Amino acid sequence: NAGVTQTPKFQVLKTGQSMTLQCAQDMNHNSMYWYRQDPGMGLRLIYYSASEGTTDKGEVPNGYNVSRLNKREFSLRLESAAPSQTSVYFCASRQQTTGAAETQYFGPGTRLLVL
Amino acid sequence: AQSVTQLGSHVSVSEGALVLLRCNYSSSVPPYLFWYVQYPNQGLQLLLKYTSAATLVKGINGFEAEFKKSETSFHLTKPSAHMSDAAEYFCAVSGGSNYKLTFGKGTLLTVNP
Repeated sequence: NAGVTQTPKFQVLKTGQSMTLQCAQDMNHNSMYWYRQDPGMGLRLIYYSASEGTTDKGEVPNGYNVSRLNKREFSLRLESAAPSQTSVYFCASRQQTTGAAETQYFGPGTRLLVL
Repeated sequence: AQSVTQLGSHVSVSEGALVLLRCNYSSSVPPYLFWYVQYPNQGLQLLLKYTSAATLVKGINGFEAEFKKSETSFHLTKPSAHMSDAAEYFCAVSGGSNYKLTFGKGTLLTVNP
């Protein structure tokens, strides 16, 4: 199993450009998450999808949109990139059977630089 | 609402010394608590988690953590640091709708030879 995969690994954008970050998991997990990591801030939740067909906002959703394409894939879109969106983006997934004790599994991250 | 406070953004120890990384939590419901480790330029990997089965939790790579409800703490320890332990460590609490994780700001562990 590959676990959680993310593409691309690294991207440079100019202000105002758009892009989509891709995430896929092969663990048959129900829930998927997008986080951003900034120095000294820990990880902050952008959007999540509790199950296929549902999405909801997290702590910092402004400037982002998401699509839960199917059970495996959850994409994050920046419609008009801003320098404040320079960050490392992590996708995660978890099974949702026993509840809050379930572990979230993380992808390797996408490093985004917006000039 | 839930929150996590990690005391000390940077901890430096000598190889072979005790590692102690502090985490305090706030939660309105019985918490589930996690420690994750992040090696340079990698994703997060689960070290251990508390799920109410036992207050002393053993994880990978010789780490363990003790849940203390009276102190609202879940500190991470390792008796003897190794150079390979150098990484950033995150404490997280789970609860609320859809069991979202709330992370602390992280502690960078440096191990000196």
